[in-house]
Amino acid sequence: DQQVKQNSPSLSVQEGRISILNCDYTNSMFDYFLWYKKYPAEGPTFLISISSIKDKNEDGRFTVFLNKSAKHLSLHIVPSQPGDSAVYFCAASARSGSARQLTFGSGTQLTVLP
Amino acid sequence: DTEVTQTPKHLVMGMTNKKSLKCEQHMGHRAMYWYKQKAKKPPELMFVYSYEKLSINESVPSRFSPECPNSSLLNLHLHALQPEDSALYLCASSHNVFRIATNEKLFFGSGTQLSVL
Repeated sequence: DQQVKQNSPSLSVQEGRISILNCDYTNSMFDYFLWYKKYPAEGPTFLISISSIKDKNEDGRFTVFLNKSAKHLSLHIVPSQPGDSAVYFCAASARSGSARQLTFGSGTQLTVLP
Repeated sequence: DTEVTQTPKHLVMGMTNKKSLKCEQHMGHRAMYWYKQKAKKPPELMFVYSYEKLSINESVPSRFSPECPNSSLLNLHLHALQPEDSALYLCASSHNVFRIATNEKLFFGSGTQLSVL
């Protein structure tokens, strides 16, 4: 049973427009959420995060929104650029025993068309 | 230096071989991780080391044997693997496993693409 779900395996957006990537989770113990970006043949790189005490966090062109009641978060990229084309993973963190663990979604392939 | 370096980048091995994957970081991180990622699937946690001690083993078969010789190095020893073990193996590090901060994040290496024949 996947605790973090990204229901759209792919998304195509025109350059300059907004990209919206969605993520749903089921575990109410998750209290920290992160987005990672992955290019082919590279490891995932951290993009932006949000704590459960907030509902929005912004960093340049990237904004993450968290709706705790709906157990839903989204990543907005505006304006989208061709270099943003990559796989985006949503991840959620919860305290587990003596450590924190990250649980990843299955990823969304974003393609930004020039 | 904000890199996690993994070697080799690609590895092909037979089911009777013994091989090792290596991971190195020089960021002073005290937590290191092994993840396994199959195609079109999310990374799945295998092991967590905290201060060079094994902290979490996610019920990984014994044919995978992790080792943390020092705070900068993490190895994954492979023996008698099965074809279904073919995957991308990712190493990651973070400041520590307990940290709850706005900049808590994992730094990932590029991975080792493993094929078991």
